[in-house]
Amino acid sequence: GAGVSQSPRYKVAKRGQDVALRCDPISGHVSLFWYQQALGQGPEFLTYFQNEAQLDKSGLPSDRFFAERPEGSVSTLKIQRTQQEDSAVYLCASSYGQGRDYGYTFGSGTRLTVV
Amino acid sequence: QKEVEQDPGPLSVPEGAIVSLNCTYSNSAFQYFMWYRQYSRKGPELLMYTYSSGNKEDGRFTAQVDKSSKYISLFIRDSQPSDSATYLCAFHSQGGSEKLVFGKGTKLTVNP
Repeated sequence: GAGVSQSPRYKVAKRGQDVALRCDPISGHVSLFWYQQALGQGPEFLTYFQNEAQLDKSGLPSDRFFAERPEGSVSTLKIQRTQQEDSAVYLCASSYGQGRDYGYTFGSGTRLTVV
Repeated sequence: QKEVEQDPGPLSVPEGAIVSLNCTYSNSAFQYFMWYRQYSRKGPELLMYTYSSGNKEDGRFTAQVDKSSKYISLFIRDSQPSDSATYLCAFHSQGGSEKLVFGKGTKLTVNP
């Protein structure tokens, strides 16, 4: 497609439930990023993939968060045993090469609400 | 000290006004400087990008970087109601992680 596609757009989860968020990057983009944006805050880095390799996961807040990109295209961010503090917008971004050279294109995000 | 400081506003201006948005940063490794615009319920979109001190102009937008003071600015001339959005400064390190470090964002409203 023309842009980065994320699904679902909205997700309401009961505390303790597992959720999976999907990101379809722009075709041919090798770099893929996940960010978490809390209300009234800027995006915070979670993790980075180059093709299928997860090169940086330093931003994942706990071992309840897991991301994968098994074939180097679609990526899934999984959150286990969701907590209220996980409520946020989860943004996916992709880039043709290194982001600083080619720029990043963001999706519209998945708004997760944990009740 | 936070890595990036950005006044969250909100900022409200009349149509046609000149808008000045600012960020300070503390990390000397930041070498790439960006401004993103984020409309409500949308992802950030890149507005301006530079890697050197000085000014860069694109239409009604001017990005200014002062590396010695660790200070960046975005100026919007002849502001329009369609400029109403949250503006995020973002930084990227040279030779380090690929991640972007964002400010909190400044919410701007341009009133017709």
